[in-house]
Amino acid sequence: DIQMTQSPSSLSASVGDRITITCRTSQSISSYLNWYQQKPGKAPKLLIFAASSLQSWVPSRFSGSGSGTEFTLTISSLEPEDFATYYCQQGYTTPYTFGQGTKVEIK
Amino acid sequence: QITLKESGPTQVKPAQTLTLTCTFSGFSLSTSGVGVGWIRQPPGKALECLAVIFWDDDKRYSPSLKRRLSIAKDTSKNQVVLTMTNMDPVDTATYYCALLSSTWEEHRYYDYWGQGTLVTVSS
Repeated sequence: DIQMTQSPSSLSASVGDRITITCRTSQSISSYLNWYQQKPGKAPKLLIFAASSLQSWVPSRFSGSGSGTEFTLTISSLEPEDFATYYCQQGYTTPYTFGQGTKVEIK
Repeated sequence: QITLKESGPTQVKPAQTLTLTCTFSGFSLSTSGVGVGWIRQPPGKALECLAVIFWDDDKRYSPSLKRRLSIAKDTSKNQVVLTMTNMDPVDTATYYCALLSSTWEEHRYYDYWGQGTLVTVSS
């Protein structure tokens, strides 16, 4: 399996802050990297696919970048609705493994 | 409108077999490039891919759980069934099914999810 390592595992931030979450993979996956947002008691929602392509519902304050083994998810200015847990996932080969998640909490 | 919904028992006993059904609408599992996967999430923990079945009946399993899993599709009923044998309390989790879509460059991602179903393994 391709191992996914997210950092940090959690962070506290304020509305308006810029945050970055990193995802590293155990082998190169080109740009086959997805990001999901999950709120408590809800199913995950796809935010970004192919490392940097935003789903249609996703605000432009979200961005993704990276290729190979290192990827980032950036939120340029946190809004109250962005407090959630974020997961990266590789779509390169099965099993399509997820990272352990990054919980973004309100400071 | 694409929807998926999981159904099955909410509780099973250790050593029993779990059978979950994903009933979907708004897409066809006969369409090239499409798949339906099962993902689980133990309480307070991360997501784990269990199995995926593709439009051409290709089936892929988590290597660590492969001996216990089976996935099948019924295209006429728009259903995908997951069975997991020899259930253990550590298998207590919310089980999700999700649509696996693909770009022309074969970037694959789960873009529609069911609401999930919590399965508790307890005697």
